Amino acid sequence: GNSVTQMEGPVTLSEEAFLTINCTYTATGYPSLFWYVQYPGEGLQLLLKATKADDKGSNKGFEATYRKETTSFHLEKGSVQVSDSAVYFCALSDSGGYNKLIFGAGTRLAVHP
Amino acid sequence: GAVVSQHPSWVICKSGTSVKIECRSLDFQATTMFWYRQFPKQSLMLMATSNEGSKATYEQGVEKDKFLINHASLTLSTLTVTSAHPEDSSFYICSAPVRGRDGYTFGSGTRLTVV
Repeated sequence: GNSVTQMEGPVTLSEEAFLTINCTYTATGYPSLFWYVQYPGEGLQLLLKATKADDKGSNKGFEATYRKETTSFHLEKGSVQVSDSAVYFCALSDSGGYNKLIFGAGTRLAVHP
Repeated sequence: GAVVSQHPSWVICKSGTSVKIECRSLDFQATTMFWYRQFPKQSLMLMATSNEGSKATYEQGVEKDKFLINHASLTLSTLTVTSAHPEDSSFYICSAPVRGRDGYTFGSGTRLTVV
């Protein structure tokens, strides 16, 4: 079945450091890929998404490129801020419709001043 | 647009009682609602998918009689945790697919604590 594997956290960085959170997936067909962020005590918010191979999703300085050849969707940000501290979830949905989302385990990011 | 309102945001109940969680789509019609639960510091696990006017589809290992899902209208889906036990304590989140940029909208979640 479909699955998502994320790097384990927590990830601890200093402000302005470069961030990479790895995400790989297993899926049949052509899934859509997502990154969601969950701030403390809040629900999930969509950070970015990509719906086909080689698409790059970007938002708030975060980027991720849909790599079909490596089945990956790694999240990157060039310079993190304290306000980026949160839990980040990689997810996929089956292609061809609005099907259920399958989430990775989540990666907790802590950014220190 | 495309907001799902989830209530209550938190609830504490005694063992053996039942708790109902509601998710309402405020400005769109939700024919489908996904229900997830999230244990502390863990990911979201899909429990079931509800479709308006039909029976919910439960994921493997989820007890249908314990987690009752009703989707009686295009704007309301409910999850009832029956005869709750401490191990049911968790964060429950609903989500609906929406057409447009984001693809899905999420409720703000319900933190259930069973004592």
